[in-house]
Amino acid sequence: QLVDSGGGLVQPGGSLRLSCAASGFRFSQYWMAWVRQAPGKGLEWVAQIKGDGSEKHYGDSVMGRFTISRDNAKNSLSLQMNSLSAEDTAVYYCARDATRGGDFDFWGQGTLVTVSS
Amino acid sequence: IVVTQSPDPLAVSLGQRVTIDCKSSQSVLNSANNKNELAWYQQKPGQPPKLLIYWASTRESGVPDRFSGSGSGTDFTLTISSLQAEDVAVYYCQQYHLGSTFGQGTKVEIK
Repeated sequence: QLVDSGGGLVQPGGSLRLSCAASGFRFSQYWMAWVRQAPGKGLEWVAQIKGDGSEKHYGDSVMGRFTISRDNAKNSLSLQMNSLSAEDTAVYYCARDATRGGDFDFWGQGTLVTVSS
Repeated sequence: IVVTQSPDPLAVSLGQRVTIDCKSSQSVLNSANNKNELAWYQQKPGQPPKLLIYWASTRESGVPDRFSGSGSGTDFTLTISSLQAEDVAVYYCQQYHLGSTFGQGTKVEIK
C-alpha cells in the first residue's frame, strides 16, 4: 500500500514537501517514483529514486527545483518541491517501479498540490 | 522519446472491440532482453492509474483477458476484445526505455 500526503495550497515561489508511506512490501528493494497529473490533463513522470537512494533521476520540468529522497528505515518516500509555479499544480502520485525496467505496478491515491496566490 | 496515442476520444458500443494505438518517436526495444519497454494503464475518474500491460503484451496479474497488447519497436496497440461498462476510462501508454514518457491518453466512452 502507498499513502500519499503533504499536498495543499502554496503561493507561487513557495515550497512544499510531499510524503509517501509504504507498507506491505520490501520498500528498500524497489525503485520508487513520483508522477503528477495536472487538472484534466495526462500523466507526467517527475522523479525516480533507486532502492538504496544512490541514484536519482528527474524530469526536465522539475530539474533543479525538486528533490526526491527516501528513508528506508521508515518505509517513506519524499519529494521536496521548491520555487513552485502555477504549472506545478497537479495531483502527485507516488508509484512503485515493478523492477521490470520502469513500469509502475502500485500507485498511491495521490495528493493535490495547488500553487496560487 | 515522444509518445503519441490515437484516437482521442473513442466511442464504442458495449460488446464491441476497442483498439487504441500508441506510437513512439523511436524504438523502445531493449536489445539486451528483446523486450519492448512499453506499458498500458487504465485510469478511472478520481482514481490512480492501474497497470494493465507491461513489456507491450504481458498482462498484469488480475487483469481480465479481454485486454491485450501488441506491437514492437515504435508501434503498439491496446485492444479490448468486448467493451464492458466498467471499461469506461482513460487509457495511457508509457514508454520506459529511455526515461519515462506517457502518451496523452485516450478516453473510451460508450456509444
